[in-house]
Amino acid sequence: EAGVAQSPRYKIIEKRQSVAFWCNPISGHATLYWYQQILGQGPKLLIQFQNNGVVDDSQLPKDRFSAERLKGVDSTLKIQPAKLEDSAVYLCASSHYTGTWGSGANVLTFGAGSRLTVL
Amino acid sequence: QQQVKQSPQSLIVQKGGISIINCAYENTAFDYFPWYQQFPGKGPALLIAIRPDVSEKKEGRFTISFNKSAKQFSLHIMDSQPGDSATYFCAARGETSGSRLTFGEGTQLTVNP
Repeated sequence: EAGVAQSPRYKIIEKRQSVAFWCNPISGHATLYWYQQILGQGPKLLIQFQNNGVVDDSQLPKDRFSAERLKGVDSTLKIQPAKLEDSAVYLCASSHYTGTWGSGANVLTFGAGSRLTVL
Repeated sequence: QQQVKQSPQSLIVQKGGISIINCAYENTAFDYFPWYQQFPGKGPALLIAIRPDVSEKKEGRFTISFNKSAKQFSLHIMDSQPGDSATYFCAARGETSGSRLTFGEGTQLTVNP
């Protein structure tokens, strides 16, 4: 099966500019996650969608970050305006999770990530 | 608390040796403990996972040991190979924590030939 697709792979912007990242999850996966991975740290969940609804956005800095999942498939994560501390890899992941955990739903498949550098 | 603490930060092992990475957690509601492996330029990939009703799980050269009373779990890589050189993350999840995976800080493993 095709993996999780993300673009762009790399982006360099000036602080206060805006940026958008796109994710196409594995076909049929109901749940989509955006994680932020700062260099030298573990991934941190920003937002979780189940189909096209938000399940958890408690750690999303909503004053500058926004995300949507149109039609329950692709998703876009936007940062506006960007700060220096937003420099990180933004990872998209998907899973079969539909509200009940089971062996397949536990597995998160990650994309390769989008590396953002804010100057 | 949602933290998962991982050690060591980095680890160098000779080929054929045993690599051991440790994690500790605080939230007793966690009920699923995966380990992810990440190569440079790639996203993390699930390596092996365990639930707290068992004390050990083995898949090939990879073993998770789980100590529920101590709230600790560890990854053992037997017969470590240069191809195992990567960053390893432990993680934990519990349905009461919003079903999110909480990751440790990562361990950069280098296996020398």
